[in-house]
Amino acid sequence: QVQLQESGPGLVKPSETLFLTCTVSGASISDYFWSWIRQAPGKGLEWIGYMYYTGVTNYNPSLRSRITISIDTSKHQFSLRLNSVTAADTAVYFCASFPLQGDRGVFHIWGQGTMVTVSS
Amino acid sequence: DIQMTQSPSTLSASVGDRVTITCRASQSISGSLAWYQQKPGKAPKLLIYKASNLQTGVPSRFSGSGSETEFTLTISSLQPDDFATYHCQQYHTYSMYTFGQGTKLDIK
Repeated sequence: QVQLQESGPGLVKPSETLFLTCTVSGASISDYFWSWIRQAPGKGLEWIGYMYYTGVTNYNPSLRSRITISIDTSKHQFSLRLNSVTAADTAVYFCASFPLQGDRGVFHIWGQGTMVTVSS
Repeated sequence: DIQMTQSPSTLSASVGDRVTITCRASQSISGSLAWYQQKPGKAPKLLIYKASNLQTGVPSRFSGSGSETEFTLTISSLQPDDFATYHCQQYHTYSMYTFGQGTKLDIK
């Protein structure tokens, strides 16, 4: 079955760049849209953005100026780059996906999540 | 942006109870609503999509209803495994997906 696994640093300094990677197994990269979602401590879920392997992207307007999502099809991975982080970016970051065919935006598959703390 | 508001924020109930959680959208989203269950330290799990379609493998005690701006998630008879946080999410607009703030269901 399809599995997602996030990886990246657990601690990032303020003003630096956060870079996370999600490794995909059990699925073809072309069959899904690949997305990032985060959850600040004690808060609700916030959609960050998605990418399709053709290069189509869609980002949360509140984060658009600071984020880039990219896909490496050869490695079966997709990544999140978040620039100029502040303490407000401290959260659990989930990678997730929804299928090309079907209800776009329904997140069927999730990674386990990775906690990222922004602190000096 | 479409805002999603869940009520209540916290709900205390007992095993066997019937519970209902409400999710309201700030504008019409037709039937483009999903419900997720999240347990502490875990990723959300899809329960329902298109307002009332049960995801494969989800027990039939879960049901969803509603359209336009008002939606409900009902658990017909609470089981111990159901105590968790529930999130609604609209996917009506491709440009911006939004979630409710979550409803924590705990044991009375």
